[in-house]
Amino acid sequence: GAVVSQHPSWVICKSGTSVKIECRSLDFQATTMFWYRQFPKQSLMLMATSNEGSKATYEQGVEKDKFLINHASLTLSTLTVTSAHPEDSSFYICSASGPTSHGLQGEQFFGPGTRLTVL
Amino acid sequence: QKEVEQNSGPLSVPEGAIASLNCTYSDRVSQSFFWYRQYSGKSPELIMSIYSNGDKEDGRFTAQLNKASQYVSLLIRDSQPSDSATYLCAVNKHGNQGGKLIFGQGTELSVKP
Repeated sequence: GAVVSQHPSWVICKSGTSVKIECRSLDFQATTMFWYRQFPKQSLMLMATSNEGSKATYEQGVEKDKFLINHASLTLSTLTVTSAHPEDSSFYICSASGPTSHGLQGEQFFGPGTRLTVL
Repeated sequence: QKEVEQNSGPLSVPEGAIASLNCTYSDRVSQSFFWYRQYSGKSPELIMSIYSNGDKEDGRFTAQLNKASQYVSLLIRDSQPSDSATYLCAVNKHGNQGGKLIFGQGTELSVKP
């Protein structure tokens, strides 16, 4: 149980285009989903927290108009990187939290990540 | 002072030895504690969670929590080369579902055959 998928696993795009990344909880209802970014050899950086049916809460310094987050259902959240530029190239990882057979005390289960390269 | 601190390593142990990974946290009221394993180029994988003082064992892994000392550790017995990864300590201050995790910077573990 507690499986989270992400799609695509990698994407290459041209500068100025938009990229959408999907995050799905496959066997539990994710009341909250999180989006992280990780640069090589660096720690995870939380970008935003989204609750189903509500607007996402962005961390300080993260541009909400550039990184659009939608959490329309209990199993799906999307992150759209708008007008991507080379500096947006990174490893984007989602995680999900919700009632699972494992417990109810704040575990987050991570998707496999999406590697974005902007040319 | 960082909210969650770990030694960055690398920590090198021989195959079959016990690897001991340590983590301290600054907020005394923190409720839930987690250890994640992250292989290079992959996303984190939850390997242990602990909520109350004492030890919690799962296979070769033992998590230890001491709230008075604000200290949580992970022991890996009979370490294998496949255990080589970065281990992330994470704290959910309020222990609530949907709460943010505060991560340490991670400890890189290398298990030598």
